[in-house]
Amino acid sequence: NAGVTQTPKFQVLKTGQSMTLQCAQDMNHNSMYWYRQDPGMGLRLIYYSASEGTTDKGEVPNGYNVSRLNKREFSLRLESAAPSQTSVYFCASRQMPGNEQFFGPGTRLTVL
Amino acid sequence: AQRVTQPEKLLSVFKGAPVELKCNYSYSGSPELFWYVQYSRQRLQLLLRHISRESIKGFTADLNKGETSFHLKKPFAQEEDSAMYYCALATGGGNKLTFGTGTQLKVEL
Repeated sequence: NAGVTQTPKFQVLKTGQSMTLQCAQDMNHNSMYWYRQDPGMGLRLIYYSASEGTTDKGEVPNGYNVSRLNKREFSLRLESAAPSQTSVYFCASRQMPGNEQFFGPGTRLTVL
Repeated sequence: AQRVTQPEKLLSVFKGAPVELKCNYSYSGSPELFWYVQYSRQRLQLLLRHISRESIKGFTADLNKGETSFHLKKPFAQEEDSAMYYCALATGGGNKLTFGTGTQLKVEL
């Protein structure tokens, strides 16, 4: 099993450009998550999907959109990137029972 | 609203010394707490959870509801323990995790 995979690993954007971060899991988990990790701020939840067909806002959703394409895939879209969105983005999925979250390797995004 | 506080950004100890990484939480419901670890160049992974009351890699953590704390402890630090440690609180039936800001543990020889 690959677990949680993310593409791309690195990305540099100019202000105003758009892009989609891809995430997939092969563990048959219902719930999936997108976080951003910033120095001194820990991980903050952007959006999550409790099950296929549902999405909900997390702590910092502004400037982002998500799509739960199917049970395996959960994408994060930046419509008009801003320098404040420079961060490392992690996707995760949740195992039930136990509530353990499994994380992807992260995408390092820089917005110039 | 729920909150997780890790007061130390950096904790530096010598090899063989005891380690205590502090975590305090604020939550009106019944807490479910975790410690996650991120080693250099690796993805975040679960270290332990309070429900299972287990010891992983020599680390333990006890939930103290009176002090609203879930401190992570290890009696003798090893060099391979150097990593970033995050305390996390699950809410919404486990649907959401709120993370602390993390503590970087550095074990010096």
